[in-house]
Amino acid sequence: KAGVTQTPRYLIKTRGQQVTLSCSPISGHRSVSWYQQTPGQGLQFLFEYFSETQRNKGNFPGRFSGRQFSNSRSEMNVSTLELGDSALYLCASSLSTGPQGTLNEQYFGPGTRLTVT
Amino acid sequence: DAKTTQPPSMDCAEGRAANLPCNHSTISGNEYVYWYRQIHSQGPQYIIHGLKNNETNEMASLIITEDRKSSTLILPHATLRDTAVYYCIVPFYNQGGKLIFGQGTELSVKP
Repeated sequence: KAGVTQTPRYLIKTRGQQVTLSCSPISGHRSVSWYQQTPGQGLQFLFEYFSETQRNKGNFPGRFSGRQFSNSRSEMNVSTLELGDSALYLCASSLSTGPQGTLNEQYFGPGTRLTVT
Repeated sequence: DAKTTQPPSMDCAEGRAANLPCNHSTISGNEYVYWYRQIHSQGPQYIIHGLKNNETNEMASLIITEDRKSSTLILPHATLRDTAVYYCIVPFYNQGGKLIFGQGTELSVKP
């Protein structure tokens, strides 16, 4: 099976712009989660989607949003970019069909490295 | 906040067993313990999870104490490629899909 894929792998944007990142989960996986990783804050949860619905959300401002499509592919959007948004954005997928243990057996993609200048 | 505490760093000799401890004293009866690792510049990799029984797979073994307040991840024969940051995670039961990563343990496997 192919793993989680994320596009693009690298991105450079200017402050004030917006950006959209894409994630394709492992075939058959219905849950997609997004994380931000920075040297200062480490790995932080952004949000999780299942069947096109956001089920969980982390403590990020409304500039960070996401969505999931009927084929389980997901996108996240960051509007009005700030320098502090420079980070590695990671997407993970899981079966999320239970038992409960498998809900958090997540498989991560390689990430999108976003640099805001 | 993360529900786990781990030592910030550990060393291990190549070929020896690496035993990584984790404390999760506030774990609830229906919450699982998960272990992930992140090799430099890569996405985290799922290793293993367990509820109360010891678990083993091709990558590692997970030993959970009887009171479930702590656990140990065991890499039986560590190699240089096992050098990574190892995260022990206890997700909230009603927040499936949400992993809270702490600082983890940076394991250095030395020749």
